[in-house]
Amino acid sequence: QQQVKQSPQSLIVQKGGISIINCAYENTAFDYFPWYQQFPGKGPALLIAIRPDVSEKKEGRFTISFNKSAKQFSLHIMDSQPGDSATYFCAASSVLSGTYKYIFGTGTRLKVLA
Amino acid sequence: GAGVSQSPSNKVTEKGKDVELRCDPISGHTALYWYRQSLGQGLEFLIYFQGNSAPDKSGLPSDRFSAERTGGSVSTLTIQRTQQEDSAVYLCASSPRLFGNTEAFFGQGTRLTVV
Repeated sequence: QQQVKQSPQSLIVQKGGISIINCAYENTAFDYFPWYQQFPGKGPALLIAIRPDVSEKKEGRFTISFNKSAKQFSLHIMDSQPGDSATYFCAASSVLSGTYKYIFGTGTRLKVLA
Repeated sequence: GAGVSQSPSNKVTEKGKDVELRCDPISGHTALYWYRQSLGQGLEFLIYFQGNSAPDKSGLPSDRFSAERTGGSVSTLTIQRTQQEDSAVYLCASSPRLFGNTEAFFGQGTRLTVV
């Protein structure tokens, strides 16, 4: 119940295309859903995050879509660029239940072809 | 410092030896977390500190793993009698307050290889 399932494991997209990464969870107590971006040899860095009281959040080319009833959320990268090539992790946490840690998905390795 | 600093960046050790991994969080951050990242796996939670106390150690894989934090700052993760399955990247993160709805700042990690 504490798991966050992420797919696909890897993704190849042409420059200018849309990259879509999906995550699903079971614990309805989760109330915060961040996405982290990790480049090789670096630690993950926060990209964008959403709370379940909204269905979508957009920051530049990055958008999170959230479906509370389906317990799913996804990251959309519009106009994907080679510089977006990295590993992306979704995560979930629950402040209200006192779960002061992120539960991470297994990651998606994105490659954007020039 | 400007960010979370971890040392060493790489560590190769022989099976059965003890290792210590160090984390220097961002100054003033009260919460500190350790995660483990294995090849093809996500980030596995190990332990977190609020100040110098560790309210949640539930992710430590065995009693060979321990961690401490002193002065509300530097943290050390110790692995005793290392095994090959301990090989992974160990990541430290800090936050101004407990995670849950706030950004976590990660270090670059320590890549541990047990041979």
